[in-house]
Amino acid sequence: GAVVSQHPSWVICKSGTSVKIECRSLDFQATTMFWYRQFPKQSLMLMATSNEGSKATYEQGVEKDKFLINHASLTLSTLTVTSAHPEDSSFYICSANVPPQDGYTFGSGTRLTVV
Amino acid sequence: AQSVTQLDSQVPVFEEAPVELRCNYSSSVSVYLFWYVQYPNQGLQLLLKYTSAATLVKGINGFEAEFKKSETSFHLTKPSAHMSDAAEYFCAVSEGGGNKLTFGTGTQLKVEL
Repeated sequence: GAVVSQHPSWVICKSGTSVKIECRSLDFQATTMFWYRQFPKQSLMLMATSNEGSKATYEQGVEKDKFLINHASLTLSTLTVTSAHPEDSSFYICSANVPPQDGYTFGSGTRLTVV
Repeated sequence: AQSVTQLDSQVPVFEEAPVELRCNYSSSVSVYLFWYVQYPNQGLQLLLKYTSAATLVKGINGFEAEFKKSETSFHLTKPSAHMSDAAEYFCAVSEGGGNKLTFGTGTQLKVEL
């Protein structure tokens, strides 16, 4: 089946530094990827929709300059958390639509801890 | 706008007892509906999906769900719970294929001996 590989699985960084999270579609081309954020014991909240070759579409309330999304190829989308602060600590998950079955495949998630 | 309601934040069941996790949706257009399972610190695994074909959908691990348009519901059921079913379950809706998913708040299934 279709697989989305997400790295790293977990990362600890210092306040003020930037962290990059990668999502790769391994056996299909993903023109669109979705980035979610999940706080402990809460649901997934869509942050942005990443489109290959164009600017990402951000959900209301998500800071574009803080959460930089790049989708430069059909198999890779990246999320960079810039100038991270402890409140950015969360579980970040990417997802891609797998046509033509209209299913969504999720990465394994990245646990970000900012200290 | 689309939305999903999972009224039960937690559902306890005994092992081998039947399971029902409730999901209601709201949308002004035709929808696709999904159930996902999440184990701690992991991504989401698709259990089953409804995409306007058969209203009774069978998924993996013995789960199934029935789409009831008149009740705007898509409840997840399983005849007999196993300990390995203990996890967080999310119902999600999208307005057509390829569009963004909106998730419910999740239901934690607890399986007891």
